[in-house]
Amino acid sequence: GENVEQHPSTLSVQEGDSAVIKCTYSDSASNYFPWYKQELGKGPQLIIDIRSNVGEKKDQRIAVTLNKTAKHFSLHITETQPEDSAVYFCAATLKAAGNKLTFGGGTRVLVKP
Amino acid sequence: SAVISQKPSRDICQRGTSLTIQCQVDSQVTMMFWYRQQPGQSLTLIATANQGSEATYESGFVIDKFPISRPNLTFSTLTVSNMSPEDSSIYLCSVPSRGTGELFFGEGSRLTVL
Repeated sequence: GENVEQHPSTLSVQEGDSAVIKCTYSDSASNYFPWYKQELGKGPQLIIDIRSNVGEKKDQRIAVTLNKTAKHFSLHITETQPEDSAVYFCAATLKAAGNKLTFGGGTRVLVKP
Repeated sequence: SAVISQKPSRDICQRGTSLTIQCQVDSQVTMMFWYRQQPGQSLTLIATANQGSEATYESGFVIDKFPISRPNLTFSTLTVSNMSPEDSSIYLCSVPSRGTGELFFGEGSRLTVL
């Protein structure tokens, strides 16, 4: 089955700096890669996703890149703000598998004012 | 987007007891997923609940320990049976959107087993 590795496990950045989280996956058939943000006491919320036919996607301060050859994808947050502090999870799935996501281990991001 | 309500939001339970978690969705969905999030850990899929058929369990999870009901297209329950401290986790219900395939999550049910 799919295996997703996520690094780093914790990330501390100064407000205004950029944050980068990296994930690798094992199953070359995976074709959908979402990123979730989980704030304390809440369920995960999708912040951005990318499909295998695209190499990069951007949404305001958030961008995701995908390298299918190397089987890795990354989340980039620019101009970080204190409200970006949360746990971020990457995930991967083969869409035909009925939306069964395999999650990475998570990255706890702390943005220091 | 889907609105997912879970009950209870949190509970403290005694070892050996069972607890049933409810998940209510504001729209009809074919599949519902139950995830477990152990303290400080990632999310692990327990099972897929399909209406009208038995749930499909992932490796390491069994029906006797985590029985699931799916009586209709908007509701599901997960029971954590004969609980031990190792079952202390957040249990999350999730459903896929029809159009995008995005997974929506409930707020989770935080269980502490003493």
